[in-house]
Amino acid sequence: QSVLTQPPSTSGTPGQRVTISCSGGSSSIGRNTVHWYQQLPGTAPKFLIYSNNQRPSGVPDRFSGSKSGTSASLAISGLQAEDEADYYCATWDDSLNAVVFGGGTKLTVL
Amino acid sequence: QVQLRESGPGLVKPSETLSLTCTVSGGSISNYFWSWIRQPPGKGLEWIGYVYDSGSTNYNPSLKSRVSISVDTSKNQFSLRLRSVTAADTAVYYCARAVYCSNTACSAGGIDAFDIWGQGTMVTVSS
Repeated sequence: QSVLTQPPSTSGTPGQRVTISCSGGSSSIGRNTVHWYQQLPGTAPKFLIYSNNQRPSGVPDRFSGSKSGTSASLAISGLQAEDEADYYCATWDDSLNAVVFGGGTKLTVL
Repeated sequence: QVQLRESGPGLVKPSETLSLTCTVSGGSISNYFWSWIRQPPGKGLEWIGYVYDSGSTNYNPSLKSRVSISVDTSKNQFSLRLRSVTAADTAVYYCARAVYCSNTACSAGGIDAFDIWGQGTMVTVSS
């Protein structure tokens, strides 16, 4: 069972906006910034969002992140077929003294 | 640009030691933290631990008793050893570069996030 909780799956149609939640606790998200990774089928994870809401170079502005208290969210607007992937949130946990990941959310583009 | 590549046996027998190496190309291993992360088939990501170029380490508490990560700066490589493996250790193993991220950028010297990943290598534990 993951320290960070994500919904196992979500879906949307092309052009739609979808959000993926990530819930943690006071020692994880409550104290540290959240990062997001995108894992396309059969590939390694890709750095998608850092420090709650910043995009690395090359990541489309359709992807955005936010954080409030002990929860964070990833939003994808203008959904495209190529966005179909697994999405993971991650942060540092001060109590565990470890990096912790969410269980991942599988996004299906209908 | 910096690239990472994992190498090592794809099959390990139960109770033996899993050993993998990550080779860093296109840049120096110095001044960064480097991590191993694994993903069992059909499951999520699990952080294993990190090593700094000085050799200092930190491990996931759930694996701490069995894992060691080392660095060889002369070869631009870092390595993972996981002892006493069982079928539960079967996974794709990724090496990754860790970075410190402020509100505006990421840079060397911290372990906030993982900005560069290797392609991953599948390791099966089976007799």
